[in-house]
Amino acid sequence: DAKTTQPNSMESNEEEPVHLPCNHSTISGTDYIHWYRQLPSQGPEYVIHGLTSNVNNRMASLAIAEDRKSSTLILHRATLRDAAVYYCILVMYSGGGADGLTFGKGTHLIIQP
Amino acid sequence: DTGVSQNPRHKITKRGQNVTFRCDPISEHNRLYWYRQTLGQGPEFLTYFQNEAQLEKSRLLSDRFSAERPKGSFSTLEIQRTEQGDSAMYLCASSLAGTEKLFFGSGTQLSVL
Repeated sequence: DAKTTQPNSMESNEEEPVHLPCNHSTISGTDYIHWYRQLPSQGPEYVIHGLTSNVNNRMASLAIAEDRKSSTLILHRATLRDAAVYYCILVMYSGGGADGLTFGKGTHLIIQP
Repeated sequence: DTGVSQNPRHKITKRGQNVTFRCDPISEHNRLYWYRQTLGQGPEFLTYFQNEAQLEKSRLLSDRFSAERPKGSFSTLEIQRTEQGDSAMYLCASSLAGTEKLFFGSGTQLSVL
Protein backbone atom coordinates (compact mmCIF):
# COMPACT_ATOMS: atom_id res chain seq x y z
CA ASP A 1 0.00 0.00 0.00
CA ALA A 2 1.19 3.54 -0.80
CA LYS A 3 2.42 5.77 1.98
CA THR A 4 0.42 8.52 3.68
CA THR A 5 1.64 11.48 5.74
CA GLN A 6 -0.32 12.86 8.67
CA PRO A 7 0.50 15.33 11.45
CA ASN A 8 1.50 13.59 14.67
CA SER A 9 -1.08 15.43 16.72
CA MET A 10 -3.80 18.05 16.56
CA GLU A 11 -5.82 19.86 19.15
CA SER A 12 -9.33 21.23 18.90
CA ASN A 13 -12.09 22.52 21.12
CA GLU A 14 -15.27 20.68 21.90
CA GLU A 15 -18.23 21.42 19.62
CA GLU A 16 -16.00 22.93 16.94
CA PRO A 17 -15.26 21.39 13.52
CA VAL A 18 -12.04 19.49 13.08
CA HIS A 19 -10.17 19.06 9.82
CA LEU A 20 -7.64 16.22 9.80
CA PRO A 21 -5.31 16.34 6.79
CA CYS A 22 -3.62 13.48 4.97
CA ASN A 23 -1.11 13.64 2.13
CA HIS A 24 -0.77 10.73 -0.28
CA SER A 25 1.17 12.09 -3.22
CA THR A 26 2.04 8.62 -4.61
CA ILE A 27 -1.54 7.38 -4.69
CA SER A 28 -2.40 5.17 -7.66
CA GLY A 29 -5.63 5.22 -9.62
CA THR A 30 -6.98 2.09 -7.92
CA ASP A 31 -6.19 3.11 -4.34
CA TYR A 32 -9.12 3.86 -2.07
CA ILE A 33 -8.67 6.31 0.82
CA HIS A 34 -9.80 4.84 4.13
CA TRP A 35 -9.97 6.44 7.56
CA TYR A 36 -10.03 4.52 10.81
CA ARG A 37 -9.81 5.78 14.36
CA GLN A 38 -8.64 4.12 17.55
CA LEU A 39 -10.04 5.13 20.90
CA PRO A 40 -7.94 4.42 24.01
CA SER A 41 -7.79 0.71 24.88
CA GLN A 42 -9.87 -0.23 21.82
CA GLY A 43 -9.20 -1.72 18.42
CA PRO A 44 -9.40 0.54 15.37
CA GLU A 45 -12.85 1.50 14.14
CA TYR A 46 -13.83 2.22 10.53
CA VAL A 47 -14.81 5.84 9.93
CA ILE A 48 -15.21 6.46 6.21
CA HIS A 49 -13.68 5.75 2.80
CA GLY A 50 -13.74 7.13 -0.73
CA LEU A 51 -12.16 6.94 -4.15
CA THR A 52 -12.62 10.25 -5.98
CA SER A 53 -15.76 12.01 -4.80
CA ASN A 54 -16.38 13.57 -1.41
CA VAL A 55 -18.24 11.27 0.97
CA ASN A 56 -20.49 11.85 3.96
CA ASN A 57 -21.74 9.49 6.64
CA ARG A 58 -23.11 9.82 10.14
CA MET A 59 -19.64 9.96 11.66
CA ALA A 60 -17.72 12.30 9.36
CA SER A 61 -17.13 13.73 5.91
CA LEU A 62 -14.23 12.97 3.60
CA ALA A 63 -13.02 15.66 1.22
CA ILE A 64 -10.72 14.40 -1.55
CA ALA A 65 -8.57 16.78 -3.57
CA GLU A 66 -9.17 16.84 -7.30
CA ASP A 67 -5.71 15.35 -8.00
CA ARG A 68 -6.28 12.80 -5.18
CA LYS A 69 -2.90 13.59 -3.67
CA SER A 70 -4.45 14.70 -0.42
CA SER A 71 -7.63 14.30 1.58
CA THR A 72 -9.22 15.75 4.70
CA LEU A 73 -11.37 14.03 7.28
CA ILE A 74 -13.91 16.45 8.70
CA LEU A 75 -15.60 16.01 12.05
CA HIS A 76 -18.36 18.59 11.95
CA ARG A 77 -18.80 19.06 15.68
CA ALA A 78 -16.16 17.38 17.81
CA THR A 79 -17.04 15.89 21.17
CA LEU A 80 -14.77 14.55 23.90
CA ARG A 81 -15.59 11.06 22.64
CA ASP A 82 -13.86 11.89 19.35
CA ALA A 83 -10.47 12.05 21.10
CA ALA A 84 -8.57 9.24 19.39
CA VAL A 85 -5.78 8.39 16.97
CA TYR A 86 -6.99 8.83 13.38
CA TYR A 87 -5.39 6.78 10.62
CA CYS A 88 -5.47 7.61 6.92
CA ILE A 89 -4.80 4.47 4.88
CA LEU A 90 -4.59 3.77 1.16
CA VAL A 91 -6.09 0.45 0.16
CA MET A 92 -5.56 -1.29 -3.16
CA TYR A 93 -8.44 -3.54 -4.00
CA SER A 94 -7.75 -6.94 -5.47
CA GLY A 95 -11.27 -7.55 -6.69
CA GLY A 96 -12.26 -9.48 -3.62
CA GLY A 97 -12.27 -6.53 -1.28
CA ALA A 98 -9.53 -5.17 0.96
CA ASP A 99 -6.62 -7.56 1.53
CA GLY A 100 -5.61 -5.84 4.70
CA LEU A 101 -4.59 -2.43 5.92
CA THR A 102 -1.16 -0.83 6.34
CA PHE A 103 -1.36 1.60 9.26
CA GLY A 104 1.01 4.51 9.84
CA LYS A 105 1.30 6.32 13.16
CA GLY A 106 -1.81 8.40 12.57
CA THR A 107 -2.84 11.73 14.08
CA HIS A 108 -3.50 11.92 17.79
CA LEU A 109 -6.55 14.18 18.11
CA ILE A 110 -6.92 15.97 21.44
CA ILE A 111 -10.25 17.60 22.26
CA GLN A 112 -10.30 20.35 24.84
CA PRO A 113 -13.55 20.89 26.80
CA ASP B 1 -24.11 -8.69 15.83
CA THR B 2 -21.90 -9.16 18.85
CA GLY B 3 -18.75 -7.87 17.19
CA VAL B 4 -15.29 -9.42 17.09
CA SER B 5 -14.40 -11.13 20.35
CA GLN B 6 -10.86 -11.76 21.55
CA ASN B 7 -9.72 -13.83 24.52
CA PRO B 8 -8.03 -13.38 26.83
CA ARG B 9 -7.95 -9.56 27.16
CA HIS B 10 -4.66 -9.72 29.02
CA LYS B 11 -1.93 -12.35 29.21
CA ILE B 12 1.21 -12.26 31.31
CA THR B 13 3.78 -14.94 30.66
CA LYS B 14 7.40 -15.73 31.33
CA ARG B 15 9.99 -15.67 28.59
CA GLY B 16 10.21 -19.02 26.85
CA GLN B 17 6.62 -20.05 27.49
CA ASN B 18 4.06 -20.68 24.76
CA VAL B 19 0.86 -18.63 24.55
CA THR B 20 -2.31 -18.95 22.47
CA PHE B 21 -4.90 -16.31 21.73
CA ARG B 22 -8.37 -16.82 20.34
CA CYS B 23 -10.44 -14.65 18.02
CA ASP B 24 -14.13 -15.10 17.24
CA PRO B 25 -15.07 -13.00 14.20
CA ILE B 26 -18.47 -11.63 13.28
CA SER B 27 -20.37 -14.76 12.30
CA GLU B 28 -20.98 -14.13 8.59
CA HIS B 29 -17.50 -12.71 7.92
CA ASN B 30 -15.28 -14.94 5.82
CA ARG B 31 -12.06 -12.92 6.16
CA LEU B 32 -10.07 -12.79 9.39
CA TYR B 33 -6.94 -10.74 10.08
CA TRP B 34 -4.29 -10.64 12.80
CA TYR B 35 -2.36 -7.47 13.66
CA ARG B 36 0.19 -6.55 16.30
CA GLN B 37 0.48 -3.11 17.90
CA THR B 38 3.21 -1.73 20.16
CA LEU B 39 2.94 1.45 22.19
CA GLY B 40 2.83 4.60 20.10
CA GLN B 41 2.72 2.73 16.80
CA GLY B 42 -0.08 1.86 14.43
CA PRO B 43 -1.15 -1.77 14.09
CA GLU B 44 1.13 -3.98 11.95
CA PHE B 45 -0.35 -6.63 9.69
CA LEU B 46 0.62 -10.22 10.53
CA THR B 47 -1.61 -12.53 8.50
CA TYR B 48 -5.08 -13.07 7.10
CA PHE B 49 -7.45 -15.89 6.24
CA GLN B 50 -10.26 -16.26 3.77
CA ASN B 51 -12.42 -19.00 5.20
CA GLU B 52 -9.90 -21.59 6.43
CA ALA B 53 -7.17 -20.70 3.93
CA GLN B 54 -4.27 -18.55 5.13
CA LEU B 55 -3.72 -16.25 2.14
CA GLU B 56 -0.98 -13.91 3.26
CA LYS B 57 1.70 -13.81 5.94
CA SER B 58 3.85 -10.83 6.85
CA ARG B 59 7.63 -11.13 7.20
CA LEU B 60 6.96 -10.08 10.80
CA LEU B 61 5.45 -13.51 11.39
CA SER B 62 8.52 -15.49 12.44
CA ASP B 63 8.51 -19.29 12.63
CA ARG B 64 7.64 -19.01 16.32
CA PHE B 65 4.24 -17.67 15.32
CA SER B 66 1.48 -19.82 13.90
CA ALA B 67 -2.12 -18.98 13.13
CA GLU B 68 -4.97 -21.31 12.31
CA ARG B 69 -8.59 -21.06 11.34
CA PRO B 70 -9.56 -24.72 11.12
CA LYS B 71 -13.25 -24.50 10.27
CA GLY B 72 -13.32 -21.03 8.79
CA SER B 73 -14.86 -19.60 11.94
CA PHE B 74 -12.73 -18.77 15.00
CA SER B 75 -8.96 -18.41 14.76
CA THR B 76 -6.05 -18.98 17.10
CA LEU B 77 -2.65 -17.30 17.15
CA GLU B 78 0.10 -19.20 18.96
CA ILE B 79 3.47 -17.81 19.92
CA GLN B 80 6.07 -20.39 20.90
CA ARG B 81 9.11 -19.67 23.11
CA THR B 82 7.96 -16.11 23.81
CA GLU B 83 10.52 -13.32 23.93
CA GLN B 84 10.28 -9.93 25.61
CA GLY B 85 10.02 -8.32 22.17
CA ASP B 86 6.73 -10.15 21.64
CA SER B 87 5.09 -7.92 24.25
CA ALA B 88 2.38 -6.06 22.37
CA MET B 89 -1.33 -5.78 21.75
CA TYR B 90 -2.53 -8.49 19.36
CA LEU B 91 -5.58 -7.39 17.39
CA CYS B 92 -7.98 -9.48 15.36
CA ALA B 93 -10.30 -8.13 12.68
CA SER B 94 -12.87 -9.62 10.34
CA SER B 95 -14.59 -8.58 7.15
CA LEU B 96 -16.79 -9.88 4.40
CA ALA B 97 -14.88 -10.45 1.17
CA GLY B 98 -16.05 -7.92 -1.39
CA THR B 99 -16.65 -5.23 1.22
CA GLU B 100 -14.27 -2.57 2.40
CA LYS B 101 -14.67 -2.41 6.16
CA LEU B 102 -12.62 -4.26 8.74
CA PHE B 103 -14.15 -4.74 12.17
CA PHE B 104 -11.61 -5.01 14.98
CA GLY B 105 -11.78 -6.65 18.36
CA SER B 106 -10.44 -4.99 21.50
CA GLY B 107 -7.25 -7.02 21.38
CA THR B 108 -5.19 -9.23 23.67
CA GLN B 109 -2.46 -7.42 25.59
CA LEU B 110 0.57 -9.69 25.97
CA SER B 111 3.28 -8.98 28.50
CA VAL B 112 6.38 -11.21 28.45
CA LEU B 113 8.44 -10.99 31.63
